Amino acid sequence: QKEVEQNSGPLSVPEGAIASLNCTYSDRVSQSFFWYRQYSGKSPELIMSIYSNGDKEDGRFTAQLNKASQYVSLLIRDSQPSDSATYLCAAFSGGSYIPTFGRGTSLIVHP
Amino acid sequence: DGGITQSPKYLFRKEGQNVTLSCEQNLNHDAMYWYRQDPGQGLRLIYYSQIVNDFQKGDIAEGYSVSREKKESFPLTVTSAQKNPTAFYLCASSIEVRNQPQHFGDGTRLSIL
Repeated sequence: QKEVEQNSGPLSVPEGAIASLNCTYSDRVSQSFFWYRQYSGKSPELIMSIYSNGDKEDGRFTAQLNKASQYVSLLIRDSQPSDSATYLCAAFSGGSYIPTFGRGTSLIVHP
Repeated sequence: DGGITQSPKYLFRKEGQNVTLSCEQNLNHDAMYWYRQDPGQGLRLIYYSQIVNDFQKGDIAEGYSVSREKKESFPLTVTSAQKNPTAFYLCASSIEVRNQPQHFGDGTRLSIL
C-alpha cells in the first residue's frame, strides 16, 4: 500500500525563522509531489509542485525532492504568524490516477 | 474567475434522509474528486471521475453515490446508509488524473440534526 508519512506536529517556530516540514513516501515510482496549506476550517490550497530531484523555489517557499531517499520537504523562510496552518504533502505514483495524501503537519509560528 | 464552487457551505441531515452536496467547476478540468475529512484526520477519497458518465469508487464509497452527467458538475449524495456522515466534504478537480495537482472547493460541512 502506498503511504505518505508526515509528522503530525505541532511544529513550533519563532517568527522570522525557517520552518522545515518533511514528508516521506513508500512508492519508489512516485513521480510528482505537491504541498498544500490548509488553514483551520478551510480547504487545502496548492502552494508548491515538484517533479524532479533538487530544489524549487517560489518566494519564501522552497520544495526539496530526493527520490533516492524518498523524501520531499518544504522550507518556509522568514516564517510569519500567517503561515500557521496544517501542511499536507501529496504524491502521485506513475500509474495511479489518484494522489496519496499525508495526514499533514501542523505549523505554529509564534511572535 | 475560474474555480470550484461547493454548496451549501453548511448542511444538516435528519435521520434517514438523503442529502446532496453540489460541486461545480468552470476550469474545464476533466477529472473531479470527492474527499471526506474528519477532525484531525487526513483526506479520504470517496469517489472520483475521469470523464463524463464515468466514475470510480474510492476508499470509503459505502453510503455515498455520485453522478457525472456534465463535465462541470459532480454532485455527491450522502444516503441514509451512511451512519456517520458528520464531516467536512471537499470537492476537487484536476486537468487530468495523472500527475496533475488538484484544486479544491471551499468545502461543505455536514452535521446530523
